[in-house]
Amino acid sequence: SQKIEQNSEALNIQEGKTATLTCNYTNYSPAYLQWYRQDPGRGPVFLLLIRENEKEKRKERLKVTFDTTLKQSLFHITASQPADSATYLCALDSHNTDKLIFGTGTRLQVFP
Amino acid sequence: ETGVTQTPRHLVMGMTNKKSLKCEQHLGHNAMYWYKQSAKKPLELMFVYSLEERVENNSVPSRFSPECPNSSHLFLHLHTLQPEDSALYLCASGSVGVQFFGPGTRLTVL
Repeated sequence: SQKIEQNSEALNIQEGKTATLTCNYTNYSPAYLQWYRQDPGRGPVFLLLIRENEKEKRKERLKVTFDTTLKQSLFHITASQPADSATYLCALDSHNTDKLIFGTGTRLQVFP
Repeated sequence: ETGVTQTPRHLVMGMTNKKSLKCEQHLGHNAMYWYKQSAKKPLELMFVYSLEERVENNSVPSRFSPECPNSSHLFLHLHTLQPEDSALYLCASGSVGVQFFGPGTRLTVL
């Protein structure tokens, strides 16, 4: 069956370090993968989209990698700040439609 | 803000009530979505509208009834809900795969 897995345990890191979050998927062949940020009681906010033919994408302190062989994406936040504390969701497109399938998210806590 | 608004932000209703959730987008997108988000679960897609036509209904119980009168507005009509329907209901609009979410309605069914 199709599955998207993100580490359900919270990730706690110290300010200034690099946070790395993982998204693994099975039985999908996505055309692209996206990362969203969600704060408590709010809707998700789009961060980055990476296509199947791209290995890496960067935006300011964010970097996403996409390995279609390993069926994995890594999401990095460099020089992390307490304001980066949130839940981060990965999402895949479903059969080249505009439908997105979301993972459960990983909660990141950056402490001073 | 993302340009997608939802009202009300919080709603408490009894199982016999009828209520509606409203979503409005000002981004010019052709697709709109309803999601349900429960604790410890991934976002569950409920309905998809594309150009005001419903293109997806993910086996959602009939006590949830969507309506899309135009490309900017989306409603979710609720009646005879169950306590397990308590959740955060999110509306989104989309273009070329990226979705823009509203702040959600926190629904509690007593």
